[in-house]
Amino acid sequence: QSVLTQPPSVSAAPGQKVTISCSGSSSNIGNNYVSWYQHLPGSAPKLLIHDNNKRPSGIPDRFSGSKSGTSATLGITGLQTGDEADYYCAAWDSSLRVVLFGGGTKLTVL
Amino acid sequence: EVRLVESGGDLVQPGGSLRLSCAASGFRCSDYDIHWIRQSEGKGLEWLSDFATGGETYYSDSVQGRFSVSRDNAKNVLYLQMNSLRDGDTAMYYCARVSSNAFEIWGQGTMVTVSS
Repeated sequence: QSVLTQPPSVSAAPGQKVTISCSGSSSNIGNNYVSWYQHLPGSAPKLLIHDNNKRPSGIPDRFSGSKSGTSATLGITGLQTGDEADYYCAAWDSSLRVVLFGGGTKLTVL
Repeated sequence: EVRLVESGGDLVQPGGSLRLSCAASGFRCSDYDIHWIRQSEGKGLEWLSDFATGGETYYSDSVQGRFSVSRDNAKNVLYLQMNSLRDGDTAMYYCARVSSNAFEIWGQGTMVTVSS
């Protein structure tokens, strides 16, 4: 099964802003909610964004999500070294009847 | 406290079987869709299965026919029965609770190694 398409890596300096894209199709991102996860080595993934652009309680507003058509974007402002992690998007695919994850994006804070 | 705790991971030979458990606390697992997700070394997250509140089950193509999920409401535990295990099934296995259309709560994971 295909995955949602994310860039393998992004990088930026501390304090700067970065965006991570997630591209899909009408059967997944286009007609279903997108969520975003942060995954630090040795830890469980952590939910950052649900329902395309909503932050769970406790997630700072430095993290934001948006969706347009069949693509979604995670934005992180005020980058900190602690933000270095792998980031994944996810969406239900109505045609395949499966949850799809993006391939993951490794964020490096230089 | 709302928690999910996986257990049952082990070293198993190719072709063998293993049953993973996902114990819920702080909520009733029958009230939520609970999914299984894995991550192999050096690879991304891979969705495996969903046990919906109504008892419906869904599986990825990679495990369809080999893995099955079940739930014990009395024990508040979800199970992942894995049969015909392959080298490619070596991974950290997570269970996760769905809320607001996302995997809101994750367990810490349990490691499965398939090797002779």
